[in-house]
Amino acid sequence: GAGVSQSPSNKVTEKGKDVELRCDPISGHTALYWYRQSLGQGLEFLIYFQGNSAPDKSGLPSDRFSAERTGGSVSTLTIQRTQQEDSAVYLCASSLGFGRGNTEAFFGQGTRLTVV
Amino acid sequence: DQQVKQNSPSLSVQEGRISILNCDYTNSMFDYFLWYKKYPAEGPTFLISISSIKDKNEDGRFTVFLNKSAKHLSLHIVPSQPGDSAVYFCAASSASGGSYIPTFGRGTSLIVHP
Repeated sequence: GAGVSQSPSNKVTEKGKDVELRCDPISGHTALYWYRQSLGQGLEFLIYFQGNSAPDKSGLPSDRFSAERTGGSVSTLTIQRTQQEDSAVYLCASSLGFGRGNTEAFFGQGTRLTVV
Repeated sequence: DQQVKQNSPSLSVQEGRISILNCDYTNSMFDYFLWYKKYPAEGPTFLISISSIKDKNEDGRFTVFLNKSAKHLSLHIVPSQPGDSAVYFCAASSASGGSYIPTFGRGTSLIVHP
């Protein structure tokens, strides 16, 4: 497709379970970002991938969160032992990367995660 | 500590009038600024950006103004239309470590009523 695709669009899980969220970026985009938006909050940065460089994980809130990007394309965000405070909309974005003019990020529609 | 602040959670404007959305930032290293628009159940979409070497950038009905000394930027929408009703996010970035990772504010919900 032409845009950033995220799956699933909605996920309800029980506390303590692991979840995986998937992101398909725009073809040719070397930069990939994960953000989350909790109720009433702004977009909170989680992790950033740029090409083959080591990812910037500085936004991950705990070691229960991890992400990988295979082949420089698809990314998976994994949350282990989910907690109720993990409930949020998880947004993936991609951009051309490198340089200010290439950093307009294109977002997917998000995955709404609800931990019950 | 929020580095990008949008102090007005909501704004209501009449159709045809000007909408002014404000954003303040604290990190003097930020040198690229963006506005995004978000409809419910959709991801944010890029609207307009401005580099720190400029103080104004215009695109149709949308104009962004940057005041570096005040660490303040604003988005003007003229004339406002009901379809502009959405949440607007301000974002800022810098070349920290060679990567531009946008830092977002909490958003301002704009309602344009007929």
